[in-house]
Amino acid sequence: DGGITQSPKYLFRKEGQNVTLSCEQNLNHDAMYWYRQDPGQGLRLIYYSQIVNDFQKGDIAEGYSVSREKKESFPLTVTSAQKNPTAFYLCASRTNTGELFFGEGSRLTVL
Amino acid sequence: GEDVEQSLFLSVREGDSSVINCTYTDSSSTYLYWYKQEPGAGLQLLTYIFSNMDMKQDQRLTVLLNKKDKHLSLRIADTQTGDSAIYFCAESKGNKLTFGTGTQLKVEL
Repeated sequence: DGGITQSPKYLFRKEGQNVTLSCEQNLNHDAMYWYRQDPGQGLRLIYYSQIVNDFQKGDIAEGYSVSREKKESFPLTVTSAQKNPTAFYLCASRTNTGELFFGEGSRLTVL
Repeated sequence: GEDVEQSLFLSVREGDSSVINCTYTDSSSTYLYWYKQEPGAGLQLLTYIFSNMDMKQDQRLTVLLNKKDKHLSLRIADTQTGDSAIYFCAESKGNKLTFGTGTQLKVEL
């Protein structure tokens, strides 16, 4: 079945550590997105990529990095520079008519 | 305003209709969307409306669009307990979607 897979579902990190969240899609979509969700704040865009080997900063890119070496994969690294990384992270890919299809999310907790 | 706005909470009785409202920001948005999020899960696309339409109906869901006021609503007929979730509206801006803060719908027996 086609879809978007995020892993891990839950992740714990010590302060000062970098962590990488995985996002894989087999929908053959060109565009992929990373959002962060905090209670009462909706979804905020971190990074997005329209095509392989290209990506752009979203509204809250500081402390995060991405790569897009393959069409199917768009991993997000939460670096130690991110001051408040505890959140629910959602990856999505987009159809040509604009609909976003989301993964099940990764919950990151900083200890 | 700069943000896509929604009320935070809505409580309805099972069997009643629910109406979730949204005010968006960009009159040039091509598509407007409604997403549903159940606890601990990703967002699921419910429906969308093209900006040149006033209304779209899909089974129990009715979307109304007022472009003049930049107001979007989602009506759920015969609301069931399985409809309890957070509902997000979103507007398209170029290659990005901007989401509202979400409305938590609680369905009471």
